[in-house]
Order: sequence, then structure tokens, then C-alpha cells
Amino acid sequence: NAGVTQTPKFQVLKTGQSMTLQCAQDMNHEYMSWYRQDPGMGLRLIHYSVGAGITDQGEVPNGYNVSRSTTEDFPLRLLSAAPSQTSVYFCASSSPGGVQYFGPGTRLTVL
Amino acid sequence: GQQLNQSPQSMFIQEGEDVSMNCTSSSIFNTWLWYKQDPGEGPVLLIALYKAGELTSNGRLTAQFGITRKDSFLNISASIPSDVGIYFCAGRSNYQLIWGAGTKLIIKP
Repeated sequence: NAGVTQTPKFQVLKTGQSMTLQCAQDMNHEYMSWYRQDPGMGLRLIHYSVGAGITDQGEVPNGYNVSRSTTEDFPLRLLSAAPSQTSVYFCASSSPGGVQYFGPGTRLTVL
Repeated sequence: GQQLNQSPQSMFIQEGEDVSMNCTSSSIFNTWLWYKQDPGEGPVLLIALYKAGELTSNGRLTAQFGITRKDSFLNISASIPSDVGIYFCAGRSNYQLIWGAGTKLIIKP
């Protein structure tokens, strides 16, 4: 089973560039979410989705967009990258009220 | 907003020692989860707790859901080198998980 997959694994951007982090899951989970993890801090929720066509903001949504056109995919878009967005990004999925399964992460550096 | 306090922030222990860490919250949760994160990887679930007072074991790991529903602890018995990593607690009251800042476990050679 692939579980939750994320691409790319590593990315370097220049300030002002845009890009999309990809996330896919093959477990038919309704709930998907994006987190960022910074040194010494826990996981902070960026955006989440409770089903296809439904998204909502988490704790730190500014500078990020999401969409959920299918159950399987939940891409995260950085509109205009800033050095403050240098972080490790994790995508997770779960069934309603179930345990979250995490992808391997995308390590993003913004210069 | 909701916050979780996880302690200790880091632990230096000898191989074979027992480890204890805990999380407390100002809010009530319906679920407590404990995850472990290895370097370069995403968090992996260790134990899930769904009922106040519940005590659950997974091998050398034991976790409890506090009676007040505002706290949880994780114990690791007889630590081994592969236990090193960062341990996170997370509490859920609806769809969203609230995360602790993590406990970094380091085993002294």
C-alpha cells in the first residue's frame, strides 16, 4: 500500500516564486490536512479538507491555497514564496474521527 | 485557542532506563494520540486512546487517557537505541488535532 505520498521530497525556491506541493492518498480517506513543522515546534495546521470540494483554514493559512477536487488528492499551493515559509511540510489523511496517517514530508527552502 | 503543553522538551537517558512524558491541556479532548517521528520521516502513530481513564499498551509503550480528559502520559520501559526520536502527543475534540511541541528522546552512549 502506498498510503500517503508527497512530492517533491526536497525543493528550493527563490522569494516570490510559486509552486505546488502534491499530496495523494489511496486509502479512500475523507479527511486530509496540511501541516508545517518548524524546529522546536509541533505541527501547525495550515489547511484541511473534510471531503472533496470542501476546504477550510487551519492555524496558519496565510500565503497558502488548497483545493480538493478529488478524494485522493490535496495539493498545497504557495502563491508567492517567502523565507518565512522555509519549513518541512506534512500531508496527512484519515477517516472521520480516525487516526491520521502522515506522508514522508517535503523539505522546502525559500532563499 | 486550544493549547497542549508537552513535557519534558528533551530527555537524555541511559539505555535500559524507563521513560515518562506527558501532555496537559486547558481543554477537554475526546481522543489522545501519541506519535513518534524519526529523523527525515513523518510522524507514525504509536498509541490511540479513546476513553477517559483508558490505559493501553503497545509492546514496551504504555499510555493513559487522563480521567479529566485534559491530560495523557506515555511511558517507555527498558529503553533501547531505536527509541530515539521525537515523541508527539495530540488531542482531538472535533476533526482537528491539537499537537504538543514534542519530546526529544536521546539515549546516552
